[in-house]
Amino acid sequence: DAGVIQSPRHEVTEMGQEVTLRCKPISGHDYLFWYRQTMMRGLELLIYFNNNVPIDDSGMPEDRFSAKMPNASFSTLKIQPSEPRDSAVYFCASSLGQENQKLFFGSGTQLSVL
Amino acid sequence: EDQVTQSPEALRLQEGESSSLNCSYTVSGLRGLFWYRQDPGKGPEFLFTLYSAGEEKEKERLKATLTKKESFLHITAPKPEDSATYLCAVQAYGKTTASKLTFGTGTRLQVTL
Repeated sequence: DAGVIQSPRHEVTEMGQEVTLRCKPISGHDYLFWYRQTMMRGLELLIYFNNNVPIDDSGMPEDRFSAKMPNASFSTLKIQPSEPRDSAVYFCASSLGQENQKLFFGSGTQLSVL
Repeated sequence: EDQVTQSPEALRLQEGESSSLNCSYTVSGLRGLFWYRQDPGKGPEFLFTLYSAGEEKEKERLKATLTKKESFLHITAPKPEDSATYLCAVQAYGKTTASKLTFGTGTRLQVTL
């Protein structure tokens, strides 16, 4: 298995632009998580899905952030409009079953909003 | 609110110099405590899960232990390839929280020759 695949690896955009981050989880995994990592706050959970259904989005900073999972093999995290404070590394992770929280992380998307 | 505090923030060791990393936590009912390793430019990689006080897990030069308030990651005779950021996370019981991990900010470990 190729693991969790995220794209793009790096994204540089200007304030106000729309940004879309993509994730392909490990085949067969039923949980998908979006995390954001910064030096100051570490890893923060934004939202997670179970069987393609959003379960908890309480970590989504504000309405500018939205996430979808149209099928078991694809998820997107969208920021519209983007702001400089959104600059961070965004990780997608997947896992199998609620009892086992062994998360498998992708390599992340480094987002820079100028 | 679940909280995880890791110390020290950074640690520099010479090869072969053993030490321990600390993870203190407060959680409303611990379901599991997790250790991950993160290399620069990569996502975290799972190391261990601990479920109850007194439990220990080992992997090569790493040993993780758990008490009711904290966990330690002991590194015995480290090598340069052990250099990484080590993250601790907790999972709490609860219908909507059972799948959520709360992470600490990590300890950056550098092992030199």
